[in-house]
Amino acid sequence: DAGVTQSPTHLIKTRGQQVTLRCSPISGHKSVSWYQQVLGQGPQFIFQYYEKEERGRGNFPDRFSARQFPNYSSELNVNALLLGDSALYLCASSSDGPSETQYFGPGTRLLVL
Amino acid sequence: GESVGLHLPTLSVQEGDNSIINCAYSNSASDYFIWYKQESGKGPQFIIDIRSNMDKRQGQRVTVLLNKTVKHLSLQIAATQPGDSAVYFCAERAPIGTYKYIFGTGTRLKVLA
Repeated sequence: DAGVTQSPTHLIKTRGQQVTLRCSPISGHKSVSWYQQVLGQGPQFIFQYYEKEERGRGNFPDRFSARQFPNYSSELNVNALLLGDSALYLCASSSDGPSETQYFGPGTRLLVL
Repeated sequence: GESVGLHLPTLSVQEGDNSIINCAYSNSASDYFIWYKQESGKGPQFIIDIRSNMDKRQGQRVTVLLNKTVKHLSLQIAATQPGDSAVYFCAERAPIGTYKYIFGTGTRLKVLA
């Protein structure tokens, strides 16, 4: 069975640019969550989407946005990139209700120069 | 590959010994807890979970203990193997309605041959 997939695996951007990261959940999972993991720290919650609706949002600026599509895949967008946005961005999916066990993808490594 | 956590607390254990990794969680209303294992360059991998109505749960070579009185979780790994070397995170599910998981800072486990 395919797990959570994310694309791209690595990305290099410059300050001020915009980036879109993509996530496909495990088949049958309707909930997708996004996390930011800075080197040396645990993942920090950004968003959760369930059935295409935002169900939760962490303490991140409005430069961060996301959406979920009818096939339950999701995109995370970050505008006006800052150096501090450099991190591993993780997507996690879960089944049924929005707060069941979350299974993570491999992440997208973003470097902002 | 890149190191997940360069300055995390480190536990060094001899191969074949038992490991105990501890975690303090933040919210007494959290009702569900997960331990994740993260290897360099990969996303967190589910190990074991426990609900707040339990104080112990066992899996294959792993046991999680929950002490709600002092808001403490521990992960015990029996007969630690080289493949257990990784960073371990505990995660608590925030109170119902917030739809997010809060991760601890992580512990690096080093297995010595």
